[in-house]
Amino acid sequence: DIQMTQSPSSLSASVGDRITITCRASQSISSYLNWYQQKPGKAPKFLIYAASSLQSGVPSRFSGSGSGTDFTLTISSLQPEDFATYYCQHSYTTAIPWTFGQGTKVEIK
Amino acid sequence: QVQLVESGGGVVQPGTSLRLSCAASGFTFSNYDIHWVRQAPGKGLEWVAIISYDGSYKHYADSVKGRFTISRDNSKNTVFLQINSLRAEDTAVYYCAQDWRKMALDYWGQGTLVTVSS
Repeated sequence: DIQMTQSPSSLSASVGDRITITCRASQSISSYLNWYQQKPGKAPKFLIYAASSLQSGVPSRFSGSGSGTDFTLTISSLQPEDFATYYCQHSYTTAIPWTFGQGTKVEIK
Repeated sequence: QVQLVESGGGVVQPGTSLRLSCAASGFTFSNYDIHWVRQAPGKGLEWVAIISYDGSYKHYADSVKGRFTISRDNSKNTVFLQINSLRAEDTAVYYCAQDWRKMALDYWGQGTLVTVSS
């Protein structure tokens, strides 16, 4: 199975800050990388697909980049509603299961 | 609008079985693959299983292979997850999710909690 490793596990930031979360795959997954946001007690929300494409309705302050094994999620200016846990997930078609990273919790400083 | 509603969770004893359901509405159900994902209390997301739009292929995480069975009834717009020989480590919220272009998980249900305890 492909392992996904996120860093950091948590971070503290203020409204308006720019933050970056990293996700690393244990082998190349091309651009088959998705990002999700989860708030406490809620289901995950699909944010980004194919490493850098925003799902419909996702604010433009979110962006993703990377290919191969190294990926990043950036929030350009944190908003109060962005404090949540973020997960990466690969969807490399021939590599079921589509494993998730362990998550990065973004907290208010 | 797209809705996925899970049901069937509860408190069960180790070694018993449970069948979870995921009822879908708001889209052409028979055109979409469906995934199950679980989340143990305070932990991250774990992908569990997928079933194709027509039920012709199914895949499972190694951690559940042989104990979990995914199935669907397109006439009832419902996907099922049969869980046998339940273990304490199966305690989790179980989510179903609609596949998106065979690339991601788009719409998710609200989840159903399974607690395995004696």
